[in-house]
Amino acid sequence: GAGVSQSPRYKVAKRGQDVALRCDPISGHVSLFWYQQALGQGPEFLTYFQNEAQLDKSGLPSDRFFAERPEGSVSTLKIQRTQQEDSAVYLCASSRNRGLMNTEAFFGQGTRLTVV
Amino acid sequence: SQQGEEDPQALSIQEGENATMNCSYKTSINNLQWYRQNSGRGLVHLILIRSNEREKHSGRLRVTLDTSKKSSSLLITASRAADTASYFCVNAGKSTFGDGTTLTVKP
Repeated sequence: GAGVSQSPRYKVAKRGQDVALRCDPISGHVSLFWYQQALGQGPEFLTYFQNEAQLDKSGLPSDRFFAERPEGSVSTLKIQRTQQEDSAVYLCASSRNRGLMNTEAFFGQGTRLTVV
Repeated sequence: SQQGEEDPQALSIQEGENATMNCSYKTSINNLQWYRQNSGRGLVHLILIRSNEREKHSGRLRVTLDTSKKSSSLLITASRAADTASYFCVNAGKSTFGDGTTLTVKP
């Protein structure tokens, strides 16, 4: 596609429910990032994939968060047993090369998750 | 928590004025990127400055980088109402964002 696509755009979940957020990166992009953005704050790094390998998951806030990119393209961020503090916009980004050292990241529009 | 700190947190100027925002990190900076975020277009890359560069220009944007002070600045000249957005620096080596500066340009 022309850009990074995320779905759904909006998700309302009841506390305790599991959710799955999808990211379709730009075709051929090696790197994929997930960020969490609370209202009025900057994006917080969650995890990084280089192709199918999850090289950094240091930002995942708890073991309720899990991300995968099994074929090195589409990625899914799963949150189990959602809590109210998980309410945020989840942003996905992809870049052409490894990491962000020499290449820009292209961001999707995000998924706004509200846990009630 | 963020590793980068932007200053000021908020800035309000008149159209045509220049806007300067700063970014500092506690950790070392490799390459650094600046992004803009507004409600219409989401997060968009503005400019990348490498650790061996001190200054870089792109249109109305001027970015400086001081690796010894672990800081960077973004200057927007001749601002326009369309520049109203939040601006973030990103430590490229760690993929971490600062807290952002919210810029409002009044027509």
